[in-house]
Parts: sequence; structure tokens; C-alpha cells
Amino acid sequence: RKEVEQDPGPFNVPEGATVAFNCTYSNSASQSFFWYRQDCRKEPKLLMSVYSSGNEDGRFTAQLNRASQYISLLIRDSKLSDSATYLCVVNQAGTALIFGKGTTLSVSS
Amino acid sequence: SAVISQKPSRDICQRGTSLTIQCQVDSQVTMMFWYRQQPGQSLTLIATANQGSEATYESGFVIDKFPISRPNLTFSTLTVSNMSPEDSSIYLCSVETREDREPTSGANVLTFGAGSRLTVL
Repeated sequence: RKEVEQDPGPFNVPEGATVAFNCTYSNSASQSFFWYRQDCRKEPKLLMSVYSSGNEDGRFTAQLNRASQYISLLIRDSKLSDSATYLCVVNQAGTALIFGKGTTLSVSS
Repeated sequence: SAVISQKPSRDICQRGTSLTIQCQVDSQVTMMFWYRQQPGQSLTLIATANQGSEATYESGFVIDKFPISRPNLTFSTLTVSNMSPEDSSIYLCSVETREDREPTSGANVLTFGAGSRLTVL
């Protein structure tokens, strides 16, 4: 089983749609969780951290379920500019970040 | 967050040659990381470069193939040696800066360079 697995995608949605991405991780000792965004032919950039209680940043909501070792990202009212690849990232204390392969989102008008 | 300059941005190389990628940061950082992103794959950490000591390599990566220099706190190089087509990939430099630590867990948050897209013929 891969350490971090994400929805295969791609997700093709119209503007204004709500879309959710899921991610599972295999190591129960993982402590920190993030979503990164990577635009085509660009470097990854931090989108948001994922907290145990769940957190929201504008149209983006991240959730963590430690019991199921599951992370989600919800995007409401999708914009054309949200088109990108979303990387689920997991980390244990003192170790390197582990990246998922990413889920590609394409928002169309 | 830190600003990272990475070069070359892309290169096409012949099999058997070597290429050195440079990474310059606009502030002093303790740890610099080198990642590889092969087509359709996730980012994979190659090694961690600390100033004043040898780089620490991840499983599957060795110093002879990917020698790293870290002469000071703002600069690092990664060399891809004796290249083969399987080395065709994007190579990314990243840093973890003190002010970028995630405030709740203290986990490292990374800033990446723009990447070096390498094609080996």
C-alpha cells in the first residue's frame, strides 16, 4: 500500500460547482497534514494545513479523520483559477514530507 | 516566505553526461531539500543538505549518482551524474524557514524553487 493515496482524478467541473478530494495515508504515526497546489509546469505551493478539528480558508475546507487515516479538501464555488493539481502531503515528526501523486482539477466555464 | 532561484530551468542532455543544478535562497536557511518529480509521479525526496556536513540521502538515492554541495546557508547544488533517460525528471530545490513553520504542530512547511526540467536523450 502506498504511503499517501489520492483520488485518481481528473475532476472536470463547471464554474460554481463544489468538489471534494480525498486522501488516505498508511502511517498512523503521521502528525502533520497539508494540501499543496501545483499549477501546470510550476512548483508546488502550500494551499493550507489540515488541523484535527478541521479548518476553513475562504472557499476551501480541509478535514482530518485520524481514526480512518483520511484527509479531505472541499472547494466551494469553483473558479477557473482553481484548475490545478492538488497534492496531499503527510509528515511524521523528524521525517521528510511524503507527497501523494496529486489530483487534477479542471474548472470550465 | 523565502524566495528561491533555481537554475537551469530546463536542459536537454546527452546520455552519460552530468548536469549541476543550482539553488540560491534569499535568506539563510538551515535545511535545504532536493526533490525529484518524475512524469505522473509524486514528489520524491532525494536528499537533505545541511551546511557543514554531508547530505543525508533517502533510500534509493546515492551520493555517487547525486552529489550535493552546501557551501553556505544560502546556496546548494545537486549534480545528476552519468545521466540516462530514466533521469529525465523535474528536480526541485526546497527550503524550510523558521517563519514558515505550521503554527499548531510546528511541522515544516516547504517553499519550492521553480524546478529544473531535465530531459536526457
